Amino acid sequence: GENVEQHPSTLSVQEGDSAVIKCTYSDSASNYFPWYKQELGKRPQLIIDIRSNVGEKKDQRIAVTLNKTAKHFSLHITETQPEDSAVYFCAASPNSGYALNFGKGTSLLVTP
Amino acid sequence: EAGVTQFPSHSVIEKGQTVTLRCDPISGHDNLYWYRRVMGKEIKFLLHFVKESKQDESGMPNNRFLAERTGGTYSTLKVQPAELEDSGVYFCASSQDNTQTEEQYFGPGTRLTVT
Repeated sequence: GENVEQHPSTLSVQEGDSAVIKCTYSDSASNYFPWYKQELGKRPQLIIDIRSNVGEKKDQRIAVTLNKTAKHFSLHITETQPEDSAVYFCAASPNSGYALNFGKGTSLLVTP
Repeated sequence: EAGVTQFPSHSVIEKGQTVTLRCDPISGHDNLYWYRRVMGKEIKFLLHFVKESKQDESGMPNNRFLAERTGGTYSTLKVQPAELEDSGVYFCASSQDNTQTEEQYFGPGTRLTVT
């Protein structure tokens, strides 16, 4: 089955700095790669996703890159703000309608 | 629109007891998923319903877990008898259909503690 590795497990940055979270996956059949953000005490929410026919996708301060050859994808957050503090999960799946295989999560702390 | 809801938010039971978790998906969503996160580990897939049918139950850990979705609306996940290793947060998610564009919307989770 699919195995998703996520690094780092914790990340602390100063407000305004960039944050990068990296994930690797094992199943070459994976084609859908969402990122979820879970704030303390709240539900996981999708913040951005990318599909295998796209190498990079950007939405304001967040971007995701995908390298299918190397089987890795990354989340980039620029100009971080304290409200970006949360646990971020990457996931991989053959398609959006199927089971998501998650990484272990990255706890991001943005200090003012 | 109302999001995915789960009940209860917390449950503390003793080993050997039975617990039933409930999930109400977003109205009109045919797909319903159960996931579980054990402390410090990844969110792991348990099973996937399409309407009332089990599409994929490959993640169910053992036969102490029983999921149902009678009528294709809400779903229940029963753990009987509960063991210590069943502790964790159980998430439910739903999506409208199996297309390339459908996001899985998560509920707030049920935190289960087995003592």
